[in-house]
Amino acid sequence: DAGVIQSPRHEVTEMGQEVTLRCKPISGHNSLFWYRQTMMRGLELLIYFNNNVPIDDSGMPEDRFSAKMPNASFSTLKIQPSEPRDSAVYFCASSGGYGNTIYFGEGSWLTVV
Amino acid sequence: QKEVEQDPGPLSVPEGAIVSLNCTYSNSAFQYFMWYRQYSRKGPELLMYTYSSGNKEDGRFTAQVDKSSKYISLFIRDSQPSDSATYLCAPMEPGGFKTIFGAGTRLFVKA
Repeated sequence: DAGVIQSPRHEVTEMGQEVTLRCKPISGHNSLFWYRQTMMRGLELLIYFNNNVPIDDSGMPEDRFSAKMPNASFSTLKIQPSEPRDSAVYFCASSGGYGNTIYFGEGSWLTVV
Repeated sequence: QKEVEQDPGPLSVPEGAIVSLNCTYSNSAFQYFMWYRQYSRKGPELLMYTYSSGNKEDGRFTAQVDKSSKYISLFIRDSQPSDSATYLCAPMEPGGFKTIFGAGTRLFVKA
């Protein structure tokens, strides 16, 4: 099993630029989560999908953030325009559904300068 | 008040020590309680979980939940340098989809 695959692993971008993070969940998993981790705030849930449908996006910090899941094997998290305070590690995770273990990807390390 | 409170540490112990990591939570409806381990520059991975109150043992690790006091513990016996990582407690919301993570406790086990 390849696990949850995220890209890019590292991105450095200038303030104001658009950032797109990508995720391929584990095959067969029907829940997908986007988390953000910083030293100050820890691991925060941004949004999660069940069967490709966004269920809870209350953690999305503001309208600059958007997430899509066009099919069961792909999701994107977009930040437009990016700001330095968006610098963090963004994790994608997936699970088999109710009560199942969440499997995390290796993370996308974002730096906005 | 945060839903899950966890001391970020760092906690530094000598090899072979017994380690106790703890969390408190506020939502009495939580039923599943997970512990995740996160090595530096990696994603968290599930270490173990318990359902409702009680203890669960897995090798050198014991997870304990006291729902009456809303207190979660993870004990590590005979700690090893390879246990050096951040440990995150993570109760799951009713409904079984949304997991709330504590801030994580950084543990260093010195050889």
